[in-house]
Amino acid sequence: AQRVTQPEKLLSVFKGAPVELKCNYSYSGSPELFWYVQYSRQRLQLLLRHISRESIKGFTADLNKGETSFHLKKPFAQEEDSAMYYCALRGSQGNLIFGKGTKLSVKP
Amino acid sequence: DGGITQSPKYLFRKEGQNVTLSCEQNLNHDAMYWYRQDPGQGLRLIYYSQIVNDFQKGDIAEGYSVSREKKESFPLTVTSAQKNPTAFYLCASSTTPPGVGYTFGSGTRLTVV
Repeated sequence: AQRVTQPEKLLSVFKGAPVELKCNYSYSGSPELFWYVQYSRQRLQLLLRHISRESIKGFTADLNKGETSFHLKKPFAQEEDSAMYYCALRGSQGNLIFGKGTKLSVKP
Repeated sequence: DGGITQSPKYLFRKEGQNVTLSCEQNLNHDAMYWYRQDPGQGLRLIYYSQIVNDFQKGDIAEGYSVSREKKESFPLTVTSAQKNPTAFYLCASSTTPPGVGYTFGSGTRLTVV
């Protein structure tokens, strides 16, 4: 089965604290994973892809095939990071399979 | 300015009526997708199309229909058979094969009254 699991519905941290949004996947084969973000009143947009190994807005995510995880991390959270975050897996048909999302709230 | 446009932004429908949501893109993308977004449910795939005049059912296609007569357009019809149509609907497009992922529209919020 192809599946993405985001175990936390809501994650609340204080400004300046580290943040880790968890994502686990189920996929037979070589996975391609993404993180999407949806800020309030904005459209869903790509944050980063595992194949590009980039850091966007201070966020990084490393694919761990042994643990089938693709957790999103940032060492120092900012208030403007407050948003809905979705982990996604490219399915065998090419379509993206999304997790249920985690709402990140960064408190001042 | 390239992008993907969904209209209308808000839509109200009476029970028993069909309603069609518009999705247009000028990105020259071959593939287009419809997702339904509900609180706590994430994004669930309704239908997708990888080429003109062809489309496939997603995970929750019952009560919905689509057409893909033009590359730029992928309208979604929510029929009276859809038991719980009130939701936020997102359209997306991508290259084939998908390169950098999807480009999303701004969504249509459908409310059944």
